[in-house]
Amino acid sequence: TQLLEQSPQFLSIQEGENLTVYCNSSSVFSSLQWYRQEPGEGPVLLVTVVTGGEVKKLKRLTFQFGDARKDSSLHITAAQPGDTGLYLCAGSRGSGTYKYIFGTGTRLKVLA
Amino acid sequence: SQTIHQWPATLVQPVGSPLSLECTVEGTSNPNLYWYRQAAGRGLQLLFYSVGIGQISSEVPQNLSASRPQDRQFILSSKKLLLSDSGFYLCAWMTERRGYTFGSGTRLTVV
Repeated sequence: TQLLEQSPQFLSIQEGENLTVYCNSSSVFSSLQWYRQEPGEGPVLLVTVVTGGEVKKLKRLTFQFGDARKDSSLHITAAQPGDTGLYLCAGSRGSGTYKYIFGTGTRLKVLA
Repeated sequence: SQTIHQWPATLVQPVGSPLSLECTVEGTSNPNLYWYRQAAGRGLQLLFYSVGIGQISSEVPQNLSASRPQDRQFILSSKKLLLSDSGFYLCAWMTERRGYTFGSGTRLTVV
């Protein structure tokens, strides 16, 4: 059972456009992470959010954790070709083993 | 600095053959270690995790097994590969503060 659904699955946009990726669940998570993965490599951590309603910014990327800690969003402003990749959210229920469940993934392609 | 090594990068194996993928971590002690499998362009499925030597937890029933013979070594194995074992296998270690640090992955194709 996939507990974390991401939307959209695929997104192709022009350089300079804005976009939002969503990560939704019916379960409550103690923390949520976002990763970016390039082909043939492992995912790389972008951010961790732990407080309901929390907003974190990383340059042109804005991450938000839902008030109820069941969902999250990633907003990219003025996308660039270097933002191309697979974006994954991952949620933890805080079991102590730092075991995260990964979302279904959003593949983003930014065209120059 | 902490690094994670995973090999080989690619592997083509016939159905029914054995498998051994190795992962080693440097620069940390007693790490939590994980094996994930990723279908093409999708999310990661947790296969095994280990919190210490000889301690293995399996997340899904499957044709694979894992072992942790040393503190910083994690091995994924199979006695007889199936076609459905094909995929991208990722080893990772994890801290609450820094999240997962993944290896570069092994692309396994079972033919």
